[in-house]
Amino acid sequence: DQQVKQNSPSLSVQEGRISILNCDYTNSMFDYFLWYKKYPAEGPTFLISISSIKDKNEDGRFTVFLNKSAKHLSLHIVPSQPGDSAVYFCAADLYGGSQGNLIFGKGTKLSVKP
Amino acid sequence: ETGVTQSPTHLIKTRGQQVTLRCSSQSGHNTVSWYQQALGQGPQFIFQYYREEENGRGNFPPRFSGLQFPNYSSELNVNALELDDSALYLCASSLVGINTEAFFGQGTRLTVV
Repeated sequence: DQQVKQNSPSLSVQEGRISILNCDYTNSMFDYFLWYKKYPAEGPTFLISISSIKDKNEDGRFTVFLNKSAKHLSLHIVPSQPGDSAVYFCAADLYGGSQGNLIFGKGTKLSVKP
Repeated sequence: ETGVTQSPTHLIKTRGQQVTLRCSSQSGHNTVSWYQQALGQGPQFIFQYYREEENGRGNFPPRFSGLQFPNYSSELNVNALELDDSALYLCASSLVGINTEAFFGQGTRLTVV
């Protein structure tokens, strides 16, 4: 039973446009959400996070939105750049962001075309 | 640069054998977690160590075990390897607390034949 779901295995976007990656979760006890980015042959790299008490967090080109009633979060990348091409994982944490036991989705492969 | 290093990077083992994977945490971090990432899946939590003791475990059998050393380096041991154990094994280190970032190593690719 997958508690964190990323239903789009892949996404292709033109350079300069917006990339929107989606994530749904089932466990209402999750209180912290994170996005990780992974290049081939490297470990996941932390990108941005959001606490369940907020509905938006912004960091440069990256914004994460949280809709608790819908149990849905999304990552917006504006403008998208070719270097953003990677696999993006959504993850949830039960312990206030201590990040010791993260529940990951299956990932979405983003391709940004020049 | 994350500062978390894992060894070896690739490994091939035979079914039934035992394997030890190693992780060197980022300086100053006191917590290490291990994840298994099968092909096409997201990482799955195996267990976490804090101050040399297991501090949480995912849905993995006892043949998956670990150690954390006083210098905060860590080992993941898997006994009686099965074909389904073939995966990328990721180590993540962090400093216990709220909203602290976990840094991942590059992983060890284990193939069981």
